[in-house]
Amino acid sequence: DAGITQSPRHKVTETGTPVTLRCHQTENHRYMYWYRQDPGHGLRLIHYSYGVKDTDKGEVSDGYSVSRSKTEDFLLTLESATSSQTSVYFCAIRADAFYGYTFGSGTRLTVV
Amino acid sequence: GENVEQHPSTLSVQEGDSAVIKCTYSDSASNYFPWYKQELGKRPQLIIDIRSNVGEKKDQRIAVTLNKTAKHFSLHITETQPEDSAVYFCAASEDSWGKFQFGAGTQVVVTP
Repeated sequence: DAGITQSPRHKVTETGTPVTLRCHQTENHRYMYWYRQDPGHGLRLIHYSYGVKDTDKGEVSDGYSVSRSKTEDFLLTLESATSSQTSVYFCAIRADAFYGYTFGSGTRLTVV
Repeated sequence: GENVEQHPSTLSVQEGDSAVIKCTYSDSASNYFPWYKQELGKRPQLIIDIRSNVGEKKDQRIAVTLNKTAKHFSLHITETQPEDSAVYFCAASEDSWGKFQFGAGTQVVVTP
């Protein structure tokens, strides 16, 4: 479709369990991002990556970690899921400066 | 860091009328301003963008204007149609990492 896929699309998990979301791209873009979307807050940046093994924190990174061992894959891990992490998670890729993001289809995560 | 404010949060317009959404940003170094449209349950999609060296850009029924002095930019939709109903997000970016700061979004409802 848009060269970017997220998995899973939906997930329900219990509080305290680890969860990993996957973002896979076929565009060979350097930049990859994880955002969460919550009502009234728009899209907030969790972590981002400039390239393989090159990652940094965004504005809401507490409780999340990421890894990027290959250009095409960017993983987001919730070490110990909490109810406040119930959200829709979007991955995005970007070709270069002055280009917009292409977003994945999102993962709806519910922590019960 | 960058802070982006977006107004209004909701906008109801009659089909055929115009809609205007305004955003202000705080960092004078911001140099790229995209707009995204998100339909219910879908991913955000880029609809138009503008760079800081341009004051206005048009694409059919949509246009974006930028006032660098006042640090605000606006989305204009003319001859609105029911399919324009969606949430619209503005964003600003200034650094080479390409991190966007998003506004909180505007819910646009076009009534026939």
